[in-house]
Amino acid sequence: QQQVKQSPQSLIVQKGGISIINCAYENTAFDYFPWYQQFPGKGPALLIAIRPDVSEKKEGRFTISFNKSAKQFSLHIMDSQPGDSATYFCAPGAGNNRKLIWGLGTSLAVNP
Amino acid sequence: DAEITQSPRHKITETGRQVTLACHQTWNHNNMFWYRQDLGHGLRLIHYSYGVQDTNKGEVSDGYSVSRSNTEDLPLTLESAASSQTSVYFCASSDLAGSSYEQYFGPGTRLTVT
Repeated sequence: QQQVKQSPQSLIVQKGGISIINCAYENTAFDYFPWYQQFPGKGPALLIAIRPDVSEKKEGRFTISFNKSAKQFSLHIMDSQPGDSATYFCAPGAGNNRKLIWGLGTSLAVNP
Repeated sequence: DAEITQSPRHKITETGRQVTLACHQTWNHNNMFWYRQDLGHGLRLIHYSYGVQDTNKGEVSDGYSVSRSNTEDLPLTLESAASSQTSVYFCASSDLAGSSYEQYFGPGTRLTVT
């Protein structure tokens, strides 16, 4: 049973364009909704995260949009740059145990 | 600066051998996690620990074991390495206190079982 479904699996965007990655979840107990970024040969690193009491959070060119009723959240990368080329994971979590449930990842390539 | 390190970074071993991957963190985090990453499967949780002497099985724990004797270290042991355990292994840690679930990852260990 896959609790978290991430889409698309891969994405190609032109420099300056908007990248959008989506994450659908089933567990309504999730109360933490992060996106992680992973470059080749490196471990994942937190990019941006949101709590369910807000519908949107923006940090620079990166925005999380959260739709509680649809059980979905998305990552928007504005003015995408070649340096944004990486794999992105959604990994919602719940409860005091601090476990994260990982999506399968989206490979983003930004063409110069 | 606090960090999380893994060793070795690359390891080649033979089927049937016991292998131990090291993970050391200086964040003073209570929680530590071991994941494996394989193409098409994302990150899968192997074992995790919420503190000294505490260990728990994740979704793919068969063939792996961990022990937590101090806050800083969570070594992962492959009891009898199999080719199916060829993968990239990541260790991560997170704080128990506060509202953040953020996990801090090590650089990974690439393990090849021949």
